[in-house]
Amino acid sequence: DIVMTQSPDSLAVSLGERATINCKSTQSLLYSYDNKNYLGWYQQKPGQPPKLLMYWASTRESGVPDRFSGSGSGTDFTLTISSLQAEDVALYYCQQYYSTPLTFGGGTKVEIK
Amino acid sequence: QVQLVQSGSELKKPGASVKVSCRSSGYTFTDYAVTWVRQAPGQAFEWMGWINTNTGKSAYAQAFTGRFVFSLDTSVSTAYLQISSLKPEDTAVYYCTRPRRSCPGDTCYSDFDYWGQGTLLTVSS
Repeated sequence: DIVMTQSPDSLAVSLGERATINCKSTQSLLYSYDNKNYLGWYQQKPGQPPKLLMYWASTRESGVPDRFSGSGSGTDFTLTISSLQAEDVALYYCQQYYSTPLTFGGGTKVEIK
Repeated sequence: QVQLVQSGSELKKPGASVKVSCRSSGYTFTDYAVTWVRQAPGQAFEWMGWINTNTGKSAYAQAFTGRFVFSLDTSVSTAYLQISSLKPEDTAVYYCTRPRRSCPGDTCYSDFDYWGQGTLLTVSS
């Protein structure tokens, strides 16, 4: 199984500042056939289901603010919130869909400093 | 708009069974598979498996074989998760999800763009 490890577990960032979340997989998520990284990012707020933010590691889902960006390839990925807003306080998860079982990271909690 | 609406919270005793429903609307039900995901208290999300809404064929993650069964009623665009011989460790929120990618074959490698609201299952004596 591919293990997804996120870091940090939590971070506190001032409003307007940058937040960076890392996700590392135990094997490459880059599929050579289509040169895409099979990784998604989600945001989950209390009492709500997750919301898809990014797919193919760096493609923003429709309606997601452009302060969210995804980067990385292979085994190392990053979700960046360029200017943290109050509504961004949430848990963030990465998920690989390169192979089954599909697996998720353990989550990163983002708070306001 | 696309919606997945799940049945309400359940409180069950160990050894009992439960059936969770997930009614889809806003799209053609058979165009997309349904995937089930579990979130136990304080735990990461676990992919349980998926069901092909055209063929009715299911695939289960190893941890979810035996007591877990996916089923469909395409006439009402509804997927079901049945869990038998419930154990306290089955206590979790169960989500149905729609894969962002269509999954026409025997495998479904996708992230999930629509989620049900979740069904809290509590198993306790």
